[in-house]
Amino acid sequence: KNEVEQSPQNLTAQEGEFITINCSYSVGISALHWLQQHPGGGIVSLFMLSSGKKKHGRLIATINIQEKHSSLHITASHPRDSAVYICAVVGRTSGSRLTFGEGTQLTVNP
Amino acid sequence: KAGVTQTPRYLIKTRGQQVTLSCSPISGHRSVSWYQQTPGQGLQFLFEYFSETQRNKGNFPGRFSGRQFSNSRSEMNVSTLELGDSALYLCASSLATSGVQYGELFFGEGSRLTVL
Repeated sequence: KNEVEQSPQNLTAQEGEFITINCSYSVGISALHWLQQHPGGGIVSLFMLSSGKKKHGRLIATINIQEKHSSLHITASHPRDSAVYICAVVGRTSGSRLTFGEGTQLTVNP
Repeated sequence: KAGVTQTPRYLIKTRGQQVTLSCSPISGHRSVSWYQQTPGQGLQFLFEYFSETQRNKGNFPGRFSGRQFSNSRSEMNVSTLELGDSALYLCASSLATSGVQYGELFFGEGSRLTVL
């Protein structure tokens, strides 16, 4: 079992739909990152969180430390949101070392 | 403010050769980390440097090495290249400190290495 599990692996939505991507992890963490990767490879950091909830525009990230679970929500999805979304954790004893989930491929159709 | 710059963007090498990749972080960022991304293994942490010292290391063989200079620019080197080293190599910089080793990551565009 991987230390970081994401679901679903693939997700297709219609423009305007509410989207949820889930991340579960098995170790104690210092922080969790949500990353976005577009075709071509560039990665953008969406959120880094260690508790509670963060919101940026149409994106919302939540984390439940006790349940070792985080969710990324996209409200009013748009075709430009099509990308791979990656969850990564910083283990509590890992310093700066990140462990990554396998990613969720999101396709939003117009 | 300039972003993270990686060079070269693309390169082709043959087995047995070595390669050096460069990463210039955002001004003021002292932490630089490196990652390998392959279709089979996904994203994996290589190492992180802070103030010219390797602070954390992933599970890669000794053929993978790196260094950081006093201006925080970093290089990574892969010696005796193997076909399996073909990958996208990404670096990221952050405002991590000596006390808090993690921070929001700012990624470069990556260096895509093909080993023939």
